[in-house]
Amino acid sequence: SAVISQKPSRDICQRGTSLTIQCQVDSQVTMMFWYRQQPGQSLTLIATANQGSEATYESGFVIDKFPISRPNLTFSTLTVSNMSPEDSSIYLCSVGGLAGGPSEQYFGPGTRLTVT
Amino acid sequence: AQSVTQPDIHITVSEGASLELRCNYSYGATPYLFWYVQSPGQGLQLLLKYFSGDTLVQGIKGFEAEFKRSQSSFNLRKPSVHWSDAAEYFCAVVRMDSSYKLIFGSGTRLLVRP
Repeated sequence: SAVISQKPSRDICQRGTSLTIQCQVDSQVTMMFWYRQQPGQSLTLIATANQGSEATYESGFVIDKFPISRPNLTFSTLTVSNMSPEDSSIYLCSVGGLAGGPSEQYFGPGTRLTVT
Repeated sequence: AQSVTQPDIHITVSEGASLELRCNYSYGATPYLFWYVQSPGQGLQLLLKYFSGDTLVQGIKGFEAEFKRSQSSFNLRKPSVHWSDAAEYFCAVVRMDSSYKLIFGSGTRLLVRP
């Protein structure tokens, strides 16, 4: 497995502002993903963070709202832009492509975002 | 559309009792299946996985799961529940259109009575 950290662990933000969430892994990984978990809900994949190229977004998520960077194989950021209360969620990064194969994913502790 | 169903939103068991959490999936071929646990305020931890082979798989923390193709199920079990097992449990399957993307069930919240 891998040790994954996220910063910040939680934040309270005002509507209309943006927040950048960082995800750091203790080893190089091929796959990094960002998920959203709305209150009381399951996880929804936002995008796959691709090293050296643009992220691949899932249906319903767009780059202007959720820009993602992945400058190397151990680090990625997700920005939640122009926030509204509906963006209040837990945002999790995960990694795959370790010994168990690309689909076996390990998750960071999450960032709990509240938008007021 | 491909889906994962966890029919039980909440389950309450007494400490020391056995546990079974249900998971059903819709998929044509042999799926890759996972169970994750999310403790309050935590990220997800992988409990166990099924890719192929023996249909009874062992995981961490004393959990096991059985893949039953005829029932499209992958139920999670534990013979004796501990208070620390209280958490949210998610079943997941690899998407047909991708070898690495996961679809998660809606989750089952486990409550443990002392």
